[in-house]
Amino acid sequence: NAGVTQTPKFQVLKTGQSMTLQCAQDMNHNSMYWYRQDPGMGLRLIYYSASEGTTDKGEVPNGYNVSRLNKREFSLRLESAAPSQTSVYFCASSPGTSGSLGTDTQYFGPGTRLTVL
Amino acid sequence: ILNVEQSPQSLHVQEGDSTNFTCSFPSSNFYALHWYRWETAKSPEALFVMTLNGDEKKKGRISATLNTKEGYSYLYIKGSQPEDSATYLCASNSGGYQKVTFGTGTKLQVIP
Repeated sequence: NAGVTQTPKFQVLKTGQSMTLQCAQDMNHNSMYWYRQDPGMGLRLIYYSASEGTTDKGEVPNGYNVSRLNKREFSLRLESAAPSQTSVYFCASSPGTSGSLGTDTQYFGPGTRLTVL
Repeated sequence: ILNVEQSPQSLHVQEGDSTNFTCSFPSSNFYALHWYRWETAKSPEALFVMTLNGDEKKKGRISATLNTKEGYSYLYIKGSQPEDSATYLCASNSGGYQKVTFGTGTKLQVIP
């Protein structure tokens, strides 16, 4: 039981390049999330998916797209990377659906450290 | 965007000392308050989730209280140990049950 896994662990991009961050969970959770974590700031929600086939914007969605490929996988895509997207990205999952997101405990992956030059 | 604020930002305590820190959040439309423990180079791990005013939760030497009327929660650590060194995050979804907002954390260092 691996929990939440993320790939890659580290990535360096040049401005304008694109890439997809992968996330998978094996806990049969309904909800999945993408956060970014920057120095001096809390975890900020980029996008979330309350169930397979649905996605919604979080606090900082600009410059990102997501895909909930199936119940296990939730990917984050940067179409044209910018230096402002240099950050550590965390994927998380929780058991519930949209009706229980507020009380759900979230389980986090190990993070992806992304640098955009 | 609702503001979840934590204080202090960081603190150092001696091994054996007890300590506490605060999380404040908007009290309107409150659903739940979460505490997470985040060790360096690891991922955040859940400590507690509290929903009712007056809730108290305890796990070993760590406990938390919740006041939803005034919008704050306290996290207490009794007899701090070096392994308690971590950043403690709180998160609230007062702004609507579908989105959780995290505070910036309190970084605790316990000096042996």
